[in-house]
Amino acid sequence: KAGVTQTPRYLIKTRGQQVTLSCSPISGHRSVSWYQQTPGQGLQFLFEYFSETQRNKGNFPGRFSGRQFSNSRSEMNVSTLELGDSALYLCASSLVAGGQGAGGYTFGSGTRLTVV
Amino acid sequence: AQRVTQPEKLLSVFKGAPVELKCNYSYSGSPELFWYVQYSRQRLQLLLRHISRESIKGFTADLNKGETSFHLKKPFAQEEDSAMYYCALRSGSARQLTFGSGTQLTVLP
Repeated sequence: KAGVTQTPRYLIKTRGQQVTLSCSPISGHRSVSWYQQTPGQGLQFLFEYFSETQRNKGNFPGRFSGRQFSNSRSEMNVSTLELGDSALYLCASSLVAGGQGAGGYTFGSGTRLTVV
Repeated sequence: AQRVTQPEKLLSVFKGAPVELKCNYSYSGSPELFWYVQYSRQRLQLLLRHISRESIKGFTADLNKGETSFHLKKPFAQEEDSAMYYCALRSGSARQLTFGSGTQLTVLP
């Protein structure tokens, strides 16, 4: 079966712009989590959506937001981009909320965002 | 608040040597611990979880609640084990994953 698909793979934006990233989970998975990965901070949790509802949110400013659609696909939006937002944004899907169950989380390849 | 610490950013061992990647955590409740691995140019993937008490690719990890540790071990390292390893803790009512900063393991020939 198809894995977690993130689009686009690479993105270059300028400061002040906004960006939307997309994540299509594994078929049947209803939970989607987003992580920011940087060399300095490692993997940091952004938020998790389950059945179109945000279950949990990490310690990021309000410029970072997300949503989930009825088909479980999720989007993440970052407004007023800053240089420090340059990172690899990873999406992870799981069958149930919190990555529980035998399969745990399945990660996508990520979207590499560069802010110039 | 929960925290996961991986004290070694880089670790190099020779092929055939034992390897131990350290992970310590802080959490007041009952933790669930995981090891995730990211091979070069591949996705982050689950390696093993403490609750399963399994051995994957020769790796094992034992949860030591007294020392709040979940070190990853393999008796004989292979070159294909070279990768980035992340320890993760699942906690809280929302059950989110908290990752350590990762250890880059290099197995030398």
